[in-house]
Amino acid sequence: GESVGLHLPTLSVQEGDNSIINCAYSNSASDYFIWYKQESGKGPQFIIDIRSNMDKRQGQRVTVLLNKTVKHLSLQIAATQPGDSAVYFCAENMRGNTPLVFGKGTRLSVIA
Amino acid sequence: NAGVMQNPRHLVRRRGQEARLRCSPMKGHSHVYWYRQLPEEGLKFMVYLQKENIIDESGMPKERFSAEFPKEGPSILRIQQVVRGDSAAYFCASSRGNGNEKLFFGSGTQLSVL
Repeated sequence: GESVGLHLPTLSVQEGDNSIINCAYSNSASDYFIWYKQESGKGPQFIIDIRSNMDKRQGQRVTVLLNKTVKHLSLQIAATQPGDSAVYFCAENMRGNTPLVFGKGTRLSVIA
Repeated sequence: NAGVMQNPRHLVRRRGQEARLRCSPMKGHSHVYWYRQLPEEGLKFMVYLQKENIIDESGMPKERFSAEFPKEGPSILRIQQVVRGDSAAYFCASSRGNGNEKLFFGSGTQLSVL
C-alpha cells in the first residue's frame, strides 16, 4: 500500500505485482516530462520520457501516462522486481532554455 | 562512451573553507546543469551553463556560490566560506542541447561541512 513517511511518500508492493507511481506537476505550460529512478548513493537515472502531444508511452516494463487536463503524470512498472526498489522522481520542462524541475519523489519498496 | 563524471565523490570541509566540485559532461554535450539534493528530498535546480556562458542561475544563492564552464576543462561549482547548511549532495547533469531533452546525471558529490 501507499503511505506517507517522514519525508518521502512510500509505496510498498509485492514482487511480481504492478506498481503505479503518481505525480502531480505544477506548470500547465510544461510540455516535456521525464521519470527518473534514483538508487541510494547514486545519481538519477533516466527511465522514460513523454512530450505533451502524447498521453501514453511505453518502454520495457514501464509505461508513462500523461493527463494534461488535471496535470497528472503516472509511471507504471509491470512485474515489479527487487531491483526496482528506489526513489522515483518525475520532472517537467517548458520549451526553451528552462531547467528541468523535479517533483518530491516516491520511494518504491519491493517486498520479495 | 563515459557518462557524466563528477569528482570528488565525497568532500569534507570545515566551516569557512572553500569547496570546489568538478563535473565533466558526457562527450558531445555542451550544456551543464547543477542540482542540489538534501536527504529525503528532490533535486533543486541551481545553475545552467553552456560553454563559457551562464544561461540561468536563478536557483543559486547570490553570495558564496559561483559556477563556471570554461572553454576547456570541466564545469566547476565553487562554494566559498562554507557553512553547515551547505552540506548536501550536489549533482551535475549534461545534455546535448537545450531543446527539451533528457538530462544525464553524474553520481554526485557529497559535501559534508564540519
